[in-house]
Amino acid sequence: DTEVTQTPKHLVMGMTNKKSLKCEQHMGHRAMYWYKQKAKKPPELMFVYSYEKLSINESVPSRFSPECPNSSLLNLHLHALQPEDSALYLCASSLGQDNSGNTIYFGEGSWLTVV
Amino acid sequence: AQSVTQLDSQVPVFEEAPVELRCNYSSSVSVYLFWYVQYPNQGLQLLLKYLSGSTLVKGINGFEAEFNKSQTSFHLRKPSVHISDTAEYFCAVSGAGANNLFFGTGTRLTVIP
Repeated sequence: DTEVTQTPKHLVMGMTNKKSLKCEQHMGHRAMYWYKQKAKKPPELMFVYSYEKLSINESVPSRFSPECPNSSLLNLHLHALQPEDSALYLCASSLGQDNSGNTIYFGEGSWLTVV
Repeated sequence: AQSVTQLDSQVPVFEEAPVELRCNYSSSVSVYLFWYVQYPNQGLQLLLKYLSGSTLVKGINGFEAEFNKSQTSFHLRKPSVHISDTAEYFCAVSGAGANNLFFGTGTRLTVIP
């Protein structure tokens, strides 16, 4: 089972709302990632968790707040977003964050529209 | 630091014709190279990856890629494409230090009936 599950698939939120994106994997992976993808662009790394601890934050604005409650779950809390934050948010996981060429498995993504 | 260049943003090709999608990388250390495919409105799926060993790598859906260290390339090929291969293809690299992927800008493959 090589599956990363993301919910919701689509989310429309106002700039004053608070919402969350959720991600789950049951592959025993210890590294989990959030990527942001704008239309016709490649994915851009936002955050990396390794063994449930935040290891990389790519200078992401604080209106995005990641959380890793346990080794299978990864959340992205959203607050006071801007219309330019509208994008596809991809969750991913891999066996580890070490450099051994581990495959990074992606979910289907959550389409976020900020109005 | 690693980086990836995909030279073609769009590649149209007729059904059952061969195709090559080009990827060049830049790195001062050993690299691992990947090709991912993204179908419309979906996430990314791994096609194939090169870690070490044989320079010709076979992947899913009939795709293969050849690692060429002297030319710093990792071009993706398929001898006969299908309509269902229409998608965005991303070349990616990871290297020393962490398993983070650095993506190229993508190549849009359009298969014409």
